Amino acid sequence: DVKVTQSSRYLVKRTGEKVFLECVQDMDHENMFWYRQDPGLGLRLIYFSYDVKMKEKGDIPEGYSVSREKKERFSLILESASTNQTSMYLCASLRATTYEQYFGPGTRLTVT
Amino acid sequence: KQEVTQIPAALSVPEGENLVLNCSFTDSAIYNLQWFRQDPGKGLTSLLLIQSSQREQTSGRLNASLDKSSGRSTLYIAASQPGDSATYLCAVRPHSGGSNYKLTFGKGTLLTVNP
Repeated sequence: DVKVTQSSRYLVKRTGEKVFLECVQDMDHENMFWYRQDPGLGLRLIYFSYDVKMKEKGDIPEGYSVSREKKERFSLILESASTNQTSMYLCASLRATTYEQYFGPGTRLTVT
Repeated sequence: KQEVTQIPAALSVPEGENLVLNCSFTDSAIYNLQWFRQDPGKGLTSLLLIQSSQREQTSGRLNASLDKSSGRSTLYIAASQPGDSATYLCAVRPHSGGSNYKLTFGKGTLLTVNP
């Protein structure tokens, strides 16, 4: 079974803090993704990575950056957290043979 | 721009009932369609993946169909159980080579199965 894990289920941070969200997958997938999910807005793609050190902006990259130093790990960074970044953050990876996407358990981030 | 619509937004049924969830999409040039389940406060669990060349996929009590030409997919749940209560999302992946990384999601159907 594909396993995508995220470092925290719940996180509370203060405005202006630098926040790191970590995601690890164990299936040697090349493609990994970060989404945020908000009521009424659904899932929105923040960034994705198609290989180590490679990244592409998604639909809402503003205020975020990412890091992919190892194939299995994809990090989302909030350089200076703001209250409008309070959300559920979901990491995913993609099986290239079938283009089936697998999600992690999510991180509920609250910025106060 | 691809748009995915799921109807109804919410559905409440008694235990044991068979039910159908609907998903429609505006651009038929898709690579595949994926159905997910999401429990409250949790991530998405992949239920079924239908490639564009397929008409249906089955897993246990779940059956998903795809009619690409009409832009529709259905998720059929047989003999529903309270444990099936969750939000069900469908997502389509475009066929175009450069952008087929990007899934477009529907807003989901919130299913409640009452004992």
